[in-house]
Amino acid sequence: EAQVTQNPRYLITVTGKKLTVTCSQNMNHEYMSWYRQDPGLGLRQIYYSMNVEVTDKGDVPEGYKVSRKEKRNFPLILESPSPNQTSLYFCASSLLARGGSRSTDTQYFGPGTRLTVL
Amino acid sequence: AQSVSQHNHHVILSEAASLELGCNYSYGGTVNLFWYVQYPGQHLQLLLKYFSGDPLVKGIKGFEAEFIKSKFSFNLRKPSVQWSDTAEYFCAVRGRAGKSTFGDGTTLTVKP
Repeated sequence: EAQVTQNPRYLITVTGKKLTVTCSQNMNHEYMSWYRQDPGLGLRQIYYSMNVEVTDKGDVPEGYKVSRKEKRNFPLILESPSPNQTSLYFCASSLLARGGSRSTDTQYFGPGTRLTVL
Repeated sequence: AQSVSQHNHHVILSEAASLELGCNYSYGGTVNLFWYVQYPGQHLQLLLKYFSGDPLVKGIKGFEAEFIKSKFSFNLRKPSVQWSDTAEYFCAVRGRAGKSTFGDGTTLTVKP
């Protein structure tokens, strides 16, 4: 089954304790992205990756790191989490290829990770 | 900088009423436009998208949207809503460089 998976789905942690949220897709998609969803603010893009070893900042990258060493995986790293990073996080992927058809530009979302930082 | 503005934060309708959710965007180049839906407790799903061609696009579950380039708008419509359409709706744009921007969302409540 084609899907985007995230782990963990729920996480409660404390300020300053490094954590990683994993994201994996099995659709051979080039594009992957991380978003956070907060009430009244919609989804805000944290980082995105057009392909392996290519990452770019979204609108709210502060306090986050990402890496794209393999095509299928795009982990989100919080080196020193703070309470303002308490949020619902979504990973997404799409087939979008540089210079390719924009008709492939549909993002498939993972189930979400609810993070609470105390 | 690209941005998306959704006009209504919360819409309440009775079943069979018609729906129109407003979305305006700003972007300096060619964009892809999307409407996503998020049912309670679930992740986002694509309703429809526009990337070129016919400005009137049809999506799943009877939804459609019209791209009006001169107004930078991409409004979502449905002639007759159902209780099962209760959800949050997001308009989004994505430029060729890959950056995505979502609107703040519109919560639709349909009363049976």
